[in-house]
Amino acid sequence: DVKVTQSSRYLVKRTGEKVFLECVQDMDHENMFWYRQDPGLGLRLIYFSYDVKMKEKGDIPEGYSVSREKKERFSLILESASTNQTSMYLCASSFGQANTGELFFGEGSRLTVL
Amino acid sequence: AQSVAQPEDQVNVAEGNPLTVKCTYSVSGNPYLFWYVQYPNRGLQFLLKYITGDNLVKGSYGFEAEFNKSQTSFHLKKPSALVSDSALYFCAVRDSIEKLTFGTGTRLTIIP
Repeated sequence: DVKVTQSSRYLVKRTGEKVFLECVQDMDHENMFWYRQDPGLGLRLIYFSYDVKMKEKGDIPEGYSVSREKKERFSLILESASTNQTSMYLCASSFGQANTGELFFGEGSRLTVL
Repeated sequence: AQSVAQPEDQVNVAEGNPLTVKCTYSVSGNPYLFWYVQYPNRGLQFLLKYITGDNLVKGSYGFEAEFNKSQTSFHLKKPSALVSDSALYFCAVRDSIEKLTFGTGTRLTIIP
């Protein structure tokens, strides 16, 4: 089975702290994604990556950055956390262009910023 | 840009009754449409997809979805609901090469 692992299920941080959310997949997928999930808003794409060292902005990239130094790992970085970044963060991966777009999700990281 | 809409935030169905969770789409070109389910405190799981071909798509856990081009809809259905079907359901459309755009979600509650 495909496994997408998010390192932290629950985090509590203070305003202004730097936050790292880590995601690792074990299926050699080319594509990786970071979404945030908020009630009533569904999932919104923050950043995605088609390849190592490559990144593309999604719909809501402000306040976030990402890093993909290895194919299996995609990190989401909050340079200076703010209370409006309190949310559930979901990492996902998928095969490359030949695939029809099915995503495999991690369990999520629930971040609270105080 | 491609988009999907889920007009119902909440759907309640009695156990054993048929269920429908609605989704409409707006795309340019041929749509690639998906349904995902999220159980409490978990990530999303893939249920089914429509790419081309038969308008009735069968997926996991006894779910199916009907693609209707004239009504631009892709409703999720199940003939007989189970309490364990209670979850959050998301419709999605493939936006670009591999990027999915999701709807706002519908919370399905099956009443025993």
